[in-house]
Amino acid sequence: GESVGLHLPTLSVQEGDNSIINCAYSNSASDYFIWYKQESGKGPQFIIDIRSNMDKRQGQRVTVLLNKTVKHLSLQIAATQPGDSAVYFCAELETSGSRLTFGEGTQLTVNP
Amino acid sequence: EPEVTQTPSHQVTQMGQEVILRCVPISNHLYFYWYRQILGQKVEFLVSFYNNEISEKSEIFDDQFSVERPDGSNFTLKIRSTKLEDSAMYFCASTSGGARDTQYFGPGTRLTVL
Repeated sequence: GESVGLHLPTLSVQEGDNSIINCAYSNSASDYFIWYKQESGKGPQFIIDIRSNMDKRQGQRVTVLLNKTVKHLSLQIAATQPGDSAVYFCAELETSGSRLTFGEGTQLTVNP
Repeated sequence: EPEVTQTPSHQVTQMGQEVILRCVPISNHLYFYWYRQILGQKVEFLVSFYNNEISEKSEIFDDQFSVERPDGSNFTLKIRSTKLEDSAMYFCASTSGGARDTQYFGPGTRLTVL
């Protein structure tokens, strides 16, 4: 399954499928990007980050892709599990700043 | 695993009252942040704090807001005269090495202004 961030804020997939969550950012000065997972009633939880000198970074079951040309970030979750159900936010950080700017979020629902 | 804690989990107050939201960052962390999230919306940066002073603040963080590290463990956010639009979840976060280190978020305080 695939979402396009602001246009499709919800993504529903079957357990075991791969999920792709997309995010567009607008600030050319951003050089550090993070994906957060937020479960209901909890604070954002770090998933994976990537710096602007990289195009791809892999973690455990997750991969982040960065396309600076079109200012696009994506999170791929392999073999999605029910525990992955949450809202996923991308966040960006400017080169000289300390403030994280969060995207709108995508609600991922994993159906068993 | 060390974690950021916040108290109270839910604060209800009357408009115009002062509230103090409390956070205990991870013990060896030096950089502290406050964010807020209005229900159903994205997380918004309020302020960053390092070495006992504000590093950066957003447009939201006006004169009604202040932060303090009163001792070696607590980090507080004060809203002097709350408004209805201050109702939100407030998250504290901390890092050890600045904004490019992983920011660990607390569970949040839900502030309801009546």
